[in-house]
Amino acid sequence: GAGVSQSPSNKVTEKGKDVELRCDPISGHTALYWYRQRLGQGLEFLIYFQGNSAPDKSGLPSDRFSAERTGESVSTLTIQRTQQEDSAVYLCASSLLPTQWETQYFGPGTRLLVL
Amino acid sequence: SQKIEQNSEALNIQEGKTATLTCNYTNYSPAYLQWYRQDPGRGPVFLLLIRENEKEKRKERLKVTFDTTLKQSLFHITASQPADSATYLCALPLSGGYNKLIFGAGTRLAVHP
Repeated sequence: GAGVSQSPSNKVTEKGKDVELRCDPISGHTALYWYRQRLGQGLEFLIYFQGNSAPDKSGLPSDRFSAERTGESVSTLTIQRTQQEDSAVYLCASSLLPTQWETQYFGPGTRLLVL
Repeated sequence: SQKIEQNSEALNIQEGKTATLTCNYTNYSPAYLQWYRQDPGRGPVFLLLIRENEKEKRKERLKVTFDTTLKQSLFHITASQPADSATYLCALPLSGGYNKLIFGAGTRLAVHP
């Protein structure tokens, strides 16, 4: 079956531009997570969706970052006025249920480079 | 704040040997711990979950131990193969009642023929 997909796989942008990153979770998965992975570092939690609502946005680094999820399916992470420190791999994961113990299935990530 | 530490130096071993990776954590008492594998350019893939009341868990050539007193988990790959070469991440759940995870930076394993 299809796994989690993300697009684009790579994105190069100029400082100050806005970018949109897309995540298509596994069909039927109610929970969706966004993480950021800087080079040589662990994954940082950004935001969690249960259905279409986001009960936890505590990891979003600043108000330049926002995310939404529609139809309990696709999610978009938007970064406005990108800065060079936003350069990282942005990973999306989904799980069947949002409860603990559930396995998270990760997409391949979007590699963002801000020049 | 909670902190996870994994050996940042790469682990190089010969094929057939046992690889042992370490995950230490502080300021935390997690209900469980997970191990993931990440290949270059790919997202992490879940391998094993061990609960706080389990001392050891096995899956094929993989073995994980969880010492809540030492606040440490060990991840073993027996009879290692070059295909096991990857970065291995440990992850712990943060509080909140749902599966919000914090990850270590990972340890890169290289298995040489």
